[in-house]
Amino acid sequence: GAVVSQHPSRVICKSGTSVKIECRSLDFQATTMFWYRQFPKQSLMLMATSNEGSKATYEQGVEKDKFLINHASLTLSTLTVTSAHPEDSSFYICSASLAGAHNEQFFGPGTRLTVL
Amino acid sequence: LAKTTQPISMDSYEGQEVNITCSHNNIATNDYITWYQQFPSQGPRFIIQGYKTKVTNEVASLFIPADRKSSTLSLPRVSLSDTAVYYCLVGRLNAGNNRKLIWGLGTSLAVNP
Repeated sequence: GAVVSQHPSRVICKSGTSVKIECRSLDFQATTMFWYRQFPKQSLMLMATSNEGSKATYEQGVEKDKFLINHASLTLSTLTVTSAHPEDSSFYICSASLAGAHNEQFFGPGTRLTVL
Repeated sequence: LAKTTQPISMDSYEGQEVNITCSHNNIATNDYITWYQQFPSQGPRFIIQGYKTKVTNEVASLFIPADRKSSTLSLPRVSLSDTAVYYCLVGRLNAGNNRKLIWGLGTSLAVNP
């Protein structure tokens, strides 16, 4: 149980285009989903926290107009990287927490974004 | 500023016990300690979580002293497939606007034959 999927697993796009990444909890309802970014050989950096039906909470230094997050249902959250640039190339990972659970996050497999 | 510190890398051999210690001097009263394993180009995988004393599951043990300023992940009899990066995370998810998740930089464990 507690499986989280991400789509696509990898994407290559041209500079200036927008890319949408989907995060789904397959067998449970996730009231809260988290979006992370990870550069090579670095730790995970929390970008934002997404609660179903409300606006996402962004971490300091993360541009909310550039990284649009939508959490329309209890099983789906999307991250859209708008007007992507090469410096946005990274590994994007989502996680979800079970409703009522205290502290365990279930992570998706990640999405490798390469901006040319 | 809260900080989570762990060794950058460790080497071990198959069959040995591996202990990875994480330092979190500024841990808050309600914070939990969680360890994750990550393989290249994959999302992290939950290993174990604890609040105080000792926790054990089928894959690892977690030792937390009384002052909770550090924690030690213990992997018994490692195998080659345990070669991965191990992250220490301190924080609490359901803290509303006071939520903070402090990730360590990760310990790259290499298990040799």
